[in-house]
Amino acid sequence: DTAVSQTPKYLVTQMGNDKSIKCEQNLGHDTMYWYKQDSKKFLKIMFSYNNKELIINETVPNRFSPKSPDKAHLNLHINSLELGDSAVYFCASSLRETTEAFFGQGTRLTVV
Amino acid sequence: RKEVEQDPGPFNVPEGATVAFNCTYSNSASQSFFWYRQDCRKEPKLLMSVYSSGNEDGRFTAQLNRASQYISLLIRDSKLSDSATYLCVVNEFDSGNEKLTFGTGTRLTIIP
Repeated sequence: DTAVSQTPKYLVTQMGNDKSIKCEQNLGHDTMYWYKQDSKKFLKIMFSYNNKELIINETVPNRFSPKSPDKAHLNLHINSLELGDSAVYFCASSLRETTEAFFGQGTRLTVV
Repeated sequence: RKEVEQDPGPFNVPEGATVAFNCTYSNSASQSFFWYRQDCRKEPKLLMSVYSSGNEDGRFTAQLNRASQYISLLIRDSKLSDSATYLCVVNEFDSGNEKLTFGTGTRLTIIP
C-alpha cells in the first residue's frame, strides 16, 4: 500500500491554465506538506498543514492555494500557471511537525 | 547565510572506499536532525535520524556536533547502490512554528 500518494505523476500544461495536484496519506499522520523542487534540485517547503489547519505558508505567490478537506488529504491548486512554476512538487506527511517526513512520488509539472 | 548548508559535490568515490559528508545549520535551537537519500527522479527517503550521541546503521554512521552546529554522515565500504543525493534535514523555527528545512544535497557517485 502506498503511504503517501499524489496524482498526477506528470502534468504538462500551457501558461495561463489552472491545475490541481491531489495528495493522500494513509499513515494516520497529523501534518502534511507541499514542497517544490526546482531545476537546481533545491527542495523548499511551500505549505504545512496540521489537522487541516494551515501552519506554514512560505512566500509563495497567492496563485497557489492549498486545501485540506481532512487530515489525510492535502491538495494544491495553481491558478494562471507561469513558466517559472515548472518544477517537481512533492507532497509529504509526518506524525508531528518535527518528526521524519514521508514523501509522495512527486508531480513533475511542465508549463509550456 | 543559508539555514542548512551542504557541500553540493559531486563526490566521485571508488567502490569500497569510505566517504563522509558534513552539513552545517544556523539555528542553535534546532532539535531534530535527519539524513535523507534521493535517487534520480525519485522522492527523498529517510536514511537515518541523527541522535545526540551519534548512531550507526550498518555501514552508515551519523554524528551530531551541537557546539559547532554540524552533522555528519559516514559511509563505509561504499557500494554502487549508494550513488544518490544525500540531503541533510534540520528542524527550523518559523514564526513560532517548527518546520523541517532541507539542505541543497550532496551528490555521490560510486565508481566501479
